[in-house]
Amino acid sequence: GESVGLHLPTLSVQEGDNSIINCAYSNSASDYFIWYKQESGKGPQFIIDIRSNMDKRQGQRVTVLLNKTVKHLSLQIAATQPGDSAVYFCADKAAGNKLTFGGGTRVLVKP
Amino acid sequence: DTGVSQNPRHKITKRGQNVTFRCDPISEHNRLYWYRQTLGQGPEFLTYFQNEAQLEKSRLLSDRFSAERPKGSFSTLEIQRTEQGDSAMYLCASSLGGTSSNEKLFFGSGTQLSVL
Repeated sequence: GESVGLHLPTLSVQEGDNSIINCAYSNSASDYFIWYKQESGKGPQFIIDIRSNMDKRQGQRVTVLLNKTVKHLSLQIAATQPGDSAVYFCADKAAGNKLTFGGGTRVLVKP
Repeated sequence: DTGVSQNPRHKITKRGQNVTFRCDPISEHNRLYWYRQTLGQGPEFLTYFQNEAQLEKSRLLSDRFSAERPKGSFSTLEIQRTEQGDSAMYLCASSLGGTSSNEKLFFGSGTQLSVL
């Protein structure tokens, strides 16, 4: 069936470096994408979203890039901090459908 | 705190017992979702409500599971005759809904269920 997946289960990054988390999606009808951050024992926390009519969107220290040609989504975190250590999920949605999550990437920030 | 609230945070039960979880969504959010999450996996959709109407149920939602949202505000998720495979984090989310796909879900902290 349709699914959202991630390339890397764990990403180790040095504090202060930039992080890039990748995600592939398969539903060509998906037109809305979200990145969530989940810390241990907590629910997913919204980070940033993007609609399919855009290829880039920036937030505070985060940038989401969307490549519809290859159905690829990425989250870039600038100047990664210890507080960024968490599991990151991408999720996609087509009109009338529910939000579908990928399997998650764990980001470990090394001091 | 005006976020999504879930109770209890943790529930330990014996196999065969019934359990009920409660979710209070963000005020004025007309959509309420239940998801289930197991360790190392992303949340999996279970069901959702538009106001008090339950509009969609996943195949994951067996006959032992029932969800209600009687007044279009808080919701309950009941699991009857629990099984060890039901052990998971049960997440609730709410949103303003709408007809477009641009629907941002806000999640609660979840109820962690352990079935012994």
